[in-house]
Formats: sequence, C-alpha cells, structure tokens
Amino acid sequence: DAKTTQPPSMDCAEGRAANLPCNHSTISGNEYVYWYRQIHSQGPQYIIHGLKNNETNEMASLIITEDRKSSTLILPHATLRDTAVYYCIVRVDAGNMLTFGGGTRLMVKP
Amino acid sequence: EAGVTQSPTHLIKTRGQQATLRCSPISGHTSVYWYQQALGLGLQFLLWYDEGEERNRGNFPPRFSGRQFPNYSSELNVNALELEDSALYLCASSLATGRGYEQYFGPGTRLTVT
Repeated sequence: DAKTTQPPSMDCAEGRAANLPCNHSTISGNEYVYWYRQIHSQGPQYIIHGLKNNETNEMASLIITEDRKSSTLILPHATLRDTAVYYCIVRVDAGNMLTFGGGTRLMVKP
Repeated sequence: EAGVTQSPTHLIKTRGQQATLRCSPISGHTSVYWYQQALGLGLQFLLWYDEGEERNRGNFPPRFSGRQFPNYSSELNVNALELEDSALYLCASSLATGRGYEQYFGPGTRLTVT
C-alpha cells in the first residue's frame, strides 16, 4: 500500500472548517483513499473514502487532487467532539487490512 | 443497527497465561479483522478472517491466533502472554472482501499483562 504523510498535529477553532491534508505521492491507480478518526481510547471510526472524484457525506468532504497525489479532508464546522486523531490510509483490496500511520492529532478549541 | 461488540472490556492476566478475546461483527458482515494498539504505538494489523477462513495475518508471532465461527463472530487467542502484549485490541468488521468496503470498529478490549 502507498505510504501517506500527514502533519502530526493541527488546531482549529470551534465552528470553523478543519482542513486536514494528506500526501500520498506513490499512490497507484487502483488504490482508494480512506479517512478514519480515533477519539481517545475508542475504536477508529470510518469517515469517508474515494478513488478519483471528490466525495461528500454527512460527516465530511474529501477532496482528491487531479493527479491523486494528495487529498484533503474537510470538516465544514468543527466542534469540540471532532477532537481526535485523523488517519489517512490508501489501500488496495489485497490483504484487505488497513495500514495506519501516525495520523494528525486535531485539537478543536473553543 | 447494533455495532461491532467486543468482550471483555478489560482483561488482566499474568505473564505466561493465555487470553481469549471475543468479537461480534455487525449483522450481515462476513469479514472480521483484529488490530493491536500498544501504548504510544500505532494500530497494527493482526489477523483477517472471512467466511471462516484466515485470509491474512500481520507480522506477529504464532502465539497470536484466532478463529471465526459459522455465525461470523470471532475469537482472538494470545498464548504465553508477555508484558509487551499489553495493549488495546480492536476488532473490525466489513461487508465483504474487496475494495470500497469500509471497516467498522468495536470499542476494543484492553489487555493488561502483569
């Protein structure tokens, strides 16, 4: 699976948009981009995934660049409950496991 | 819809003992995955079961084993426990194999080895 690079930590003001970047410059054509988050001491929570096109669901939006070498997860109106470690993962279906890197620790502040 | 459930929530064992952790997937999900999250370390893939078969395992010694039952629930066994096995063990399930199927995680079992 392609390696991902994320900033170790970010701050965001409550009510503002949180934009979390992820670089995956070695991504191949059949690899999806997945985002998960882990709130302290809980199991990771699936957020969103995409292949080429931008995606949006009730939790977030995923913007993937045209060359697919990077992506951005957008939480449109961050709340204190969005404080968590956010993981960007790229993977194919072979092995089907998720490979978690260090993630970005997002701190939403009042 | 009930989520992934794991039992027990906490488990305390001593070195050399065996631990058994249990996982019930979301109804309709046939794939079950096990991950280990040791303190200060990231999530490490342990095992993947689908339709009762072990499909893949991570870089862990053979004393980590498991099985999947006909109802798709799963059990993780850790033999000859070592202090460094102390960790949060997470189970996840998904609809099927193949790309595009997201994994849903349970709350985890915290194993402490003394």
